[in-house]
Amino acid sequence: ETGVTQTPRHLVMGMTNKKSLKCEQHLGHNAMYWYKQSAKKPLELMFVYSLEERVENNSVPSRFSPECPNSSHLFLHLHTLQPEDSALYLCASSQDRWRGGQETQYFGPGTRLLVL
Amino acid sequence: AQSVTQPDIHITVSEGASLELRCNYSYGATPYLFWYVQSPGQGLQLLLKYFSGDTLVQGIKGFEAEFKRSQSSFNLRKPSVHWSDAAEYFCAVRMDSSYKLIFGSGTRLLVRP
Repeated sequence: ETGVTQTPRHLVMGMTNKKSLKCEQHLGHNAMYWYKQSAKKPLELMFVYSLEERVENNSVPSRFSPECPNSSHLFLHLHTLQPEDSALYLCASSQDRWRGGQETQYFGPGTRLLVL
Repeated sequence: AQSVTQPDIHITVSEGASLELRCNYSYGATPYLFWYVQSPGQGLQLLLKYFSGDTLVQGIKGFEAEFKRSQSSFNLRKPSVHWSDAAEYFCAVRMDSSYKLIFGSGTRLLVRP
C-alpha cells in the first residue's frame, strides 16, 4: 500500500544530532498519528493531530517535537535523543476523528531509528 | 483500564494447516475491534475490523474473525495457512468516540514448509 508513506525508512543518529521524520498520506484523511514500536512493548501512541491541531500528547518527552503543517503531512522532529529511543516509528492516518467509532487507522511502513 | 491480551507470543503451524490467533479485551462496552498484520521491516496492514452487525467478519488474504461478546474475544482464523502468512499479528481495540487504538503485544506466526 502506498496510502501512507514515510521517509526515511532507516535512520542512524547520534545523541547530539537533530533529525526529522516525515509522513505523508494520500488518502484525503484529516487525522494523523505518530506511534512508537519498541521491542518487547506494545505499540504506543505518541501524538494525534486532527485538522492540523494537536489533540493528544501522550506524555512524550520534549525531545520529540511533532509538526503538522497541513492535513497531508506530519513531521516528527528529533533532538538530543537517548539510546532507549531507538525503535520503529510508525505514522498512521484516519478519515476524521470526530466521526467517532467507525474510524480505521491506516499505517505507513515506519522509520527504523537507531540512536547511538 | 482498557487492555488487550494476546496470550500466544509465538505460534508455529504447518503450511496448509488451519490457524487461530487469540485476542481478548477488557472493556465495559462493545469496543471497535481490529486485526493488523506486520511483515518484517514493514508497517501494519489492516486485515479486518468489527464495528457492529454480523459477528463473523471477513478480511483480506482469506482471514476471518469472530466477535464473541460473552467471552470478550475476537479471535482471528484462517482455514489454510500459506508460507507468506508468516508475520506478526496484532489485535487492537478502540472505544467509541476515541481516537486511541490499544494494541495487544502481538503474536508471531511461523509457518513450517
